[in-house]
Amino acid sequence: NAGVIQTPRHKVTGKGQEATLWCEPISGHSAVFWYRQTIVQGLEFLTYFRNQAPIDDSGMPKERFSAQMPNQSHSTLKIQSTQPQDSAVYLCASSSQNTLYFGAGTRLSVL
Amino acid sequence: GDSVTQKQGQVTLSEDDFLFINCTYSTTTYPTLLWYVQYPGQGPQLLLKVTTANNKGISRGFEATYDKGTTSFHLQKASVQESDSAVYFCALDNTGNYKYVFGAGTRLKVIA
Repeated sequence: NAGVIQTPRHKVTGKGQEATLWCEPISGHSAVFWYRQTIVQGLEFLTYFRNQAPIDDSGMPKERFSAQMPNQSHSTLKIQSTQPQDSAVYLCASSSQNTLYFGAGTRLSVL
Repeated sequence: GDSVTQKQGQVTLSEDDFLFINCTYSTTTYPTLLWYVQYPGQGPQLLLKVTTANNKGISRGFEATYDKGTTSFHLQKASVQESDSAVYFCALDNTGNYKYVFGAGTRLKVIA
């Protein structure tokens, strides 16, 4: 069991560029979550999918952020026109038996 | 809305010291309460979880008790080791859907 896999581990983008973050959940887990972690705001819920269907995206910024789960083996978080305030660690997690398992995260740096 | 408060931003201890990390929560129901630990370069990992059914969680020498009266869920360990150095997050799950609300985290540094 490799755990939740997130790629890339680090991404650097210029202001205004697009960033796509990838997540491979643990095989067999039915729910996938995205969180954002910053020093100032801590861990913030963004969105989650269950059985590939979007269930709750109440934490997602309304503009520029989107998430998809095209199949049960991966989910993506896309940020269009990145801004310096988007710099954060983006964490993906999957769940089974009432436990949330996090990946190591993608550190996004917007210059 | 739901909230979790961890007032201690950083705690520095020596090995074999007693650890106490304060966590209080605010919500309208009786949530599941959790402690996660995050080591450098890793994502948070579950340390222990407590529901209203069991009241106390114990894992790897850490212990936390669900106190509905004071709405607290403090984390304790009798004797810390240098390997316990990490960031500890208290969290609540009020929806049963794992949409956790996390506290700000407490960075523990244990000096050998």
